[in-house]
Amino acid sequence: DVKVTQSSRYLVKRTGEKVFLECVQDMDHENMFWYRQDPGLGLRLIYFSYDVKMKEKGDIPEGYSVSREKKERFSLILESASTNQTSMYLCASRPGSRETQYFGPGTRLLVL
Amino acid sequence: AQSVTQLDSHVSVSEGTPVLLRCNYSSSYSPSLFWYVQHPNKGLQLLLKYTSAATLVKGINGFEAEFKKSETSFHLTKPSAHMSDAAEYFCVVATMNTGFQKLVFGTGTRLLVSP
Repeated sequence: DVKVTQSSRYLVKRTGEKVFLECVQDMDHENMFWYRQDPGLGLRLIYFSYDVKMKEKGDIPEGYSVSREKKERFSLILESASTNQTSMYLCASRPGSRETQYFGPGTRLLVL
Repeated sequence: AQSVTQLDSHVSVSEGTPVLLRCNYSSSYSPSLFWYVQHPNKGLQLLLKYTSAATLVKGINGFEAEFKKSETSFHLTKPSAHMSDAAEYFCVVATMNTGFQKLVFGTGTRLLVSP
């Protein structure tokens, strides 16, 4: 069974703080993704990575960066958190370029 | 560009009655389409996917979807709703960008099931 885990289920941060969201998958998948989910907007792609140390911008990368130093781990970084980054963040992984994505349980981030 | 439109933000049914969640797609080529489900406080789970094989696709938990090219639709159905089907459902289309497949999500339909 594929397992994608995210470091926190709930997180509360202050405006201006640097925030790290961690995602780990245990199936040796090449591709990993970060999405944010907002009511009425569905899921929107922030960044993705197709291999270790490789990263590409998604549809809404502004205010975010990512890091992929090891194949199993993909980190999302909010350099200076703002209230409009309050959201649910979902990580996903998949084994190749045309396969199903597997999602983690999500991190609900509140920025005060 | 590929996109999907979920026509209803909320659908309410009674337990034991049929479920219909509507999705229309826009694609310049033969699309790959998916339905994902998200139960409260859980991650997304794949229900079913269409990848240009049979037009009627069967998924988990008794759900199925029919790809209709003439109507550009991929509606999700279930003959008889169960209380455990209450969740949010996302219609998704795959897009290809420089050889890399990405997913584009609809805005979601929340299914409410009453006893």
